[in-house]
Amino acid sequence: ETGVTQSPTHLIKTRGQQVTLRCSSQSGHNTVSWYQQALGQGPQFIFQYYREEENGRGNFPPRFSGLQFPNYSSELNVNALELDDSALYLCASSSRQGEQFFGPGTRLTVL
Amino acid sequence: AQTVTQSQPEMSVQEAETVTLSCTYDTSESDYYLFWYKQPPSRQMILVIRQEAYKQQNATENRFSVNFQKAAKSFSLKISDSQLGDAAMYFCAYRSAHGSGNTGKLIFGQGTTLQVKP
Repeated sequence: ETGVTQSPTHLIKTRGQQVTLRCSSQSGHNTVSWYQQALGQGPQFIFQYYREEENGRGNFPPRFSGLQFPNYSSELNVNALELDDSALYLCASSSRQGEQFFGPGTRLTVL
Repeated sequence: AQTVTQSQPEMSVQEAETVTLSCTYDTSESDYYLFWYKQPPSRQMILVIRQEAYKQQNATENRFSVNFQKAAKSFSLKISDSQLGDAAMYFCAYRSAHGSGNTGKLIFGQGTTLQVKP
């Protein structure tokens, strides 16, 4: 059974650019949640996708958007990057209302 | 809105000793789940233990156990026989169990960094 994977591991962008982060869910899971974790803080919920539709959103602006594909993998897109977007982005997959299993995260640095 | 608070930014324990990490939460819901996650320097968030609010019995997983006090909204984690591999950041998290449009999102505390001394 393959666990949750994320790509890339880390990347560096400049302010104003756009970025796409990817997540492959664990086999059998149809729900993907995205979290932002600032350095030294707890993760903050960004949004969740269930069967290709957004199923709840945290307190993040519209420039944070996402997609879920028929194979339940997911993308997180961030437009107009700001310095404060520098963080670890975690993806977690689950069955509906089930236990969330996390990927290793993508470290984004915005200069 | 639900909140989770961890008031101990850092804790240390001697190898083979016992340590307790504290967590309090606030909610008006009666049915929910509580979790402790471990995040080592590798960054992977790992589930340590889970507690259903409707269960009075405290959850236990090998050397890890919780003290769940529902009325006090307290959920502490006890690590017995601490090992060097237990060194990590520990997060307490809350998840609603029911409700329309419930995403099952996790609400995390600020974390406690645990140092294990040899």
